[in-house]
Amino acid sequence: EDKVVQSPLSLVVHEGDTVTLNCSYEVTNFRSLLWYKQEKKAPTFLFMLTSSGIEKKSGRLSSILDKKELFSILNITATQTGDSAVYLCAGGTASKLTFGTGTRLQVTL
Amino acid sequence: SQTIHQWPATLVQPVGSPLSLECTVEGTSNPNLYWYRQAAGRGLQLLFYSVGIGQISSEVPQNLSASRPQDRQFILSSKKLLLSDSGFYLCAWTLGPSVNTEAFFGQGTRLTVV
Repeated sequence: EDKVVQSPLSLVVHEGDTVTLNCSYEVTNFRSLLWYKQEKKAPTFLFMLTSSGIEKKSGRLSSILDKKELFSILNITATQTGDSAVYLCAGGTASKLTFGTGTRLQVTL
Repeated sequence: SQTIHQWPATLVQPVGSPLSLECTVEGTSNPNLYWYRQAAGRGLQLLFYSVGIGQISSEVPQNLSASRPQDRQFILSSKKLLLSDSGFYLCAWTLGPSVNTEAFFGQGTRLTVV
């Protein structure tokens, strides 16, 4: 059975802090690792990672994949209150996406 | 461009009543289709996925079922709802197995079983 575990489950930080969210996976026939941000309803796509060691960046967000150790991290620098959300990672195969438990991030003033 | 429609947005149903949630995708062919359920503030639990018409894989034993009567239509059903079926249901699609792409989500259905 495929499994994706995220840590921490929840996190409260002050605006301006840097946070690191973790995602470990055990996915048979793994092809990709995806990160999403969910604020109210539908999750919005952040990154898709398929190769080890290659960092992807988008503004203050970045992510990297380690296929040997089977994990990924999502970094957010200079956090803002608008970063408050549930962050989801998912392990993908050719036919399905298995999501983790999510990390709830709250950024306070 | 591709779009995904999911309805209804909210639903309140009594225990023991039937359920039918529908999801349709436009602008693509032969997508992989998914139904997820999300408890409040938690991750997405994969319920069913489908790689083609009539092909349904179930991840979690429960009183829900899924069907794919057409290439871009995915339906989640139940004959008799339980209180534990309450939650936020999301439909999603990805391109077929030859391409690594992100998943695109519908806006979700918030189901409350009373």
